[in-house]
Amino acid sequence: GQNIDQPTEMTATEGAIVQINCTYQTSGFNGLFWYQQHAGEAPTFLSYNVLDGLEEKGRFSSFLSRSKGYSYLLLKELQMKDSASYLCAVRDRSGGYQKVTFGTGTKLQVIP
Amino acid sequence: DTGVSQNPRHKITKRGQNVTFRCDPISEHNRLYWYRQTLGQGPEFLTYFQNEAQLEKSRLLSDRFSAERPKGSFSTLEIQRTEQGDSAMYLCASTLGQLNTEAFFGQGTRLTVV
Repeated sequence: GQNIDQPTEMTATEGAIVQINCTYQTSGFNGLFWYQQHAGEAPTFLSYNVLDGLEEKGRFSSFLSRSKGYSYLLLKELQMKDSASYLCAVRDRSGGYQKVTFGTGTKLQVIP
Repeated sequence: DTGVSQNPRHKITKRGQNVTFRCDPISEHNRLYWYRQTLGQGPEFLTYFQNEAQLEKSRLLSDRFSAERPKGSFSTLEIQRTEQGDSAMYLCASTLGQLNTEAFFGQGTRLTVV
């Protein structure tokens, strides 16, 4: 099984930087994803990490440490439209099949 | 291709009725996933297919739930004898095998059981 933990809610100021953490426990780790989900909408892909280190994509960066079971999503130059839930998801290959399991999400509110 | 399509977008049903949802994945994607999401929670894995083969089912998927992907293209999720606890958003996602890392989600079917 898997256990994925991330903060329930965060608040940050427009123009600032925010870091959303995710810790996980899994027996067959095979990649970690971050998705963004606006209220009432489907999740959309932000990033993918399978090796340790930082992946940068514009204002968004994602970091992974497999030995620590830890990832973070870094959002820079926050905009009001970044207010959304951010879902950490882990792909697991235990049991011979690959399955993606989501955390409960972190609801980010960006304030002026 | 307009992405992953789910129908209907909304469904209201009386407790005890059967409902069926449809998902049309992106045409070349061979993997298809079903998730259930309730308010304030992340998507919960239900089941997934590689082509027409159903490879894994969650323990959340009781005997009242069944999913099919008969020709390896569209999929259906049926819930029999619906209960109020089945009320949720049902999301479908598709990916292109193991090499493609991004799952594309449909807009979901919101089920309300009254």
